[in-house]
Amino acid sequence: GDSVTQMEGPVTLSEEAFLTINCTYTATGYPSLFWYVQYPGEGLQLLLKATKADDKGSNKGFEATYRKETTSFHLEKGSVQVSDSAVYFCALRYSSASKIIFGSGTRLSIRP
Amino acid sequence: DAGVIQSPRHEVTEMGQEVTLRCKPISGHNSLFWYRQTMMRGLELLIYFNNNVPIDDSGMPEDRFSAKMPNASFSTLKIQPSEPRDSAVYFCASSLYPGNNNQPQHFGDGTRLSIL
Repeated sequence: GDSVTQMEGPVTLSEEAFLTINCTYTATGYPSLFWYVQYPGEGLQLLLKATKADDKGSNKGFEATYRKETTSFHLEKGSVQVSDSAVYFCALRYSSASKIIFGSGTRLSIRP
Repeated sequence: DAGVIQSPRHEVTEMGQEVTLRCKPISGHNSLFWYRQTMMRGLELLIYFNNNVPIDDSGMPEDRFSAKMPNASFSTLKIQPSEPRDSAVYFCASSLYPGNNNQPQHFGDGTRLSIL
């Protein structure tokens, strides 16, 4: 069945470091892909999305490119800040379904 | 615009008691989801509704859990009787369906449930 696999955390980086959080997916069709972020004490919120192959989603300095050939949607940011500390979830959704399939989440901690 | 509203934000109760969690989805959204989040199990989908009809309740852990959506603007998740292992953060989310496939889910801030 369809699934999303993320790199295990926690990931700890120093401020201004480069960030990559890996995400790969298994899908029988052509889903849309998402990254959600969860800050402490809050619900998940959409960070960025991409709807088809080679699309790049971007928001708040984060980027991810929908790579069909490698079935990946890695999250990147050039220079992280302490305020980026959160849990990040990769997810997919088909147009024919209302359900979203989430990865297990990756906890990111940024040191000042 | 108002987001997804959940109540209460925190609930502490003794085992054996009935617990009712409430959710008001975003106006106009017709899909509603209940999730449970724990450190051990991560984020789990419990049940979801389309147009007030339960579509998939395979994630509901036991018969002690039940969910209803009597109208488009309100849903409840009930646990009766509650047990300590039910302690978790419960999230409600809503979205537009079918829409197009880049419709995200919008999450509430969750109910932190502690069963003593």
